[in-house]
Amino acid sequence: GAVVSQHPSRVICKSGTSVKIECRSLDFQATTMFWYRQFPKQSLMLMATSNEGSKATYEQGVEKDKFLINHASLTLSTLTVTSAHPEDSSFYICSATLAGGAMYQETQYFGPGTRLLVL
Amino acid sequence: RKEVEQDPGPFNVPEGATVAFNCTYSNSASQSFFWYRQDCRKEPKLLMSVYSSGNEDGRFTAQLNRASQYISLLIRDSKLSDSATYLCVVILYNTDKLIFGTGTRLQVFP
Repeated sequence: GAVVSQHPSRVICKSGTSVKIECRSLDFQATTMFWYRQFPKQSLMLMATSNEGSKATYEQGVEKDKFLINHASLTLSTLTVTSAHPEDSSFYICSATLAGGAMYQETQYFGPGTRLLVL
Repeated sequence: RKEVEQDPGPFNVPEGATVAFNCTYSNSASQSFFWYRQDCRKEPKLLMSVYSSGNEDGRFTAQLNRASQYISLLIRDSKLSDSATYLCVVILYNTDKLIFGTGTRLQVFP
């Protein structure tokens, strides 16, 4: 089956530093990748939709200058949390859609998530 | 009002019990519906899609009521391994965005 990896799985950083999270589709090409954030006991919230070779589309309320997304290839998207603060501490999850697949949930595969803790 | 609402629970049930969860959605343009399972500190995983005609997968039965805008999940003969958070997910018409509910936590005890 389609596998999506994320790296790192866990990161602890100091306030003010930037953190980069990678999302890779390991055995398929992904035209679209999605970035979600989940705070404790809350639902997954879509942050942005990332299409290979183009700018990401951010959801309302998500600062694009703070959460930089790069989708340079069909197998890799990165999310950089710039100048991270304690309130950015969360569980960040990516998902990927198969290239050429229909826009149905069945073709969206989730990564294992990255737990970010900002001190 | 949240787009997808669920009772957070927890639902504490003994092994072998039958348990049901409901979920309501507010946007009538919702087109596709799913139940996901999320274990603690893990990513969500697809449990099953939900169709208007209702569908069953082993011990799990999902139903959709478009008129009332709610979705249900029934788990029969609960196992300890069913303990998890169950997320109700919808996709709006002509989009590929998943909208997640906050989840209902299930704890099955021996």
